[in-house]
Amino acid sequence: NAGVTQTPKFQVLKTGQSMTLQCAQDMNHEYMSWYRQDPGMGLRLIHYSVGAGITDQGEVPNGYNVSRSTTEDFPLRLLSAAPSQTSVYFCASSYVGSYNSPLHFGNGTRLTVT
Amino acid sequence: ELKVEQNPLFLSMQEGKNYTIYCNYSTTSDRLYWYRQDPGKSLESLFVLLSNGAVKQEGRLMASLDTKARLSTLHITAAVHDLSATYFCAESISNNDMRFGAGTRLTVKP
Repeated sequence: NAGVTQTPKFQVLKTGQSMTLQCAQDMNHEYMSWYRQDPGMGLRLIHYSVGAGITDQGEVPNGYNVSRSTTEDFPLRLLSAAPSQTSVYFCASSYVGSYNSPLHFGNGTRLTVT
Repeated sequence: ELKVEQNPLFLSMQEGKNYTIYCNYSTTSDRLYWYRQDPGKSLESLFVLLSNGAVKQEGRLMASLDTKARLSTLHITAAVHDLSATYFCAESISNNDMRFGAGTRLTVKP
């Protein structure tokens, strides 16, 4: 059981470049989300989705796009990378409507923007 | 500003000692989560607290929830080195969205 799989593990971008962070889960979870983790700030929600075709913004959505064409996949796109987007990005998933369902996290993508 | 405050942010303990990490949150949520993160690793779920007065225990860790005070605690009993990690609390915002605290970095020394 793979759980939540993120690729790549590491990425270095130059300012202005674009890229897509991939996230896939095999647990048939309806809910998927992207968080960024910065030192001293915990995790902050970027975007989330409660099912295929449905996405919404979290706390820090600017500079990022998402789409949800299938239940399994939830890619995060950086449109024009900026140094402020240097961070560790985590994808997470869970069941919708189950109060007892914590988030299941991927292993993270460490992104550096120079 | 809605936020989740953890304290302390850094905690250095001797093995065998007890200590409590505090988590204050700002909404009327009745769901509170605790996660553990080892250095360079992902987050794993420790506890899900679903109602006022909820108490859960796993090994040397015990978590509780007081929704009236908007306070959750994570109590460590007789700490061992393997408990060294960063601990996050998170309140439920809506659906499955969560707001995380800044984390408490725990170091247990022999």
